[in-house]
Amino acid sequence: NAGVTQTPKFQVLKTGQSMTLQCAQDMNHNSMYWYRQDPGMGLRLIYYSASEGTTDKGEVPNGYNVSRLNKREFSLRLESAAPSQTSVYFCASSGSVGGTDTQYFGPGTRLTVL
Amino acid sequence: GESVGLHLPTLSVQEGDNSIINCAYSNSASDYFIWYKQESGKGPQFIIDIRSNMDKRQGQRVTVLLNKTVKHLSLQIAATQPGDSAVYFCAETGTGFQKLVFGTGTRLLVSP
Repeated sequence: NAGVTQTPKFQVLKTGQSMTLQCAQDMNHNSMYWYRQDPGMGLRLIYYSASEGTTDKGEVPNGYNVSRLNKREFSLRLESAAPSQTSVYFCASSGSVGGTDTQYFGPGTRLTVL
Repeated sequence: GESVGLHLPTLSVQEGDNSIINCAYSNSASDYFIWYKQESGKGPQFIIDIRSNMDKRQGQRVTVLLNKTVKHLSLQIAATQPGDSAVYFCAETGTGFQKLVFGTGTRLLVSP
């Protein structure tokens, strides 16, 4: 049981390049999330998917798109990367543990946009 | 907008001491609170949670206290160990689990 996995762990892009961050969970959770974490700031929600086939915007969705490919996988795409998107990106999933719907996080992807 | 914040950005303690990390929240409708631990280079890890119908909950070496009157949350770590060194985040929601609001974090430094 690997939990939440993310690829890649590190990525460097040039301004204007595109890329997709991959996330998968093996806990049979319905809900999945993408966050970004910037120095001195808390985690901010980019997009989330309450269930397979649905996605919704979070606090900071501009410049991103997402795809809930199936119940296990939730990808985040940057179509035209900008330096402001330099950040650490975390994927999470949630499901009930002992009656509590807790979010479990992946190890993160550190993205630098030059 | 609603926000969750922390009183102390860095807390330094000696090994064996008890640690208390505080968090203030502003959304009076919040009904679920979580503490996460984040070690360097890793994702946040769930520690303990509490619902608004409780004022205290205990786990293994950790206790969360909730004071709804003053909208204050605290995490107590007993007999702090060097492995407890990390950044601790509080998070809250009052609108469902998809809308967790995270604080900026408190760094806990434990010296031997």
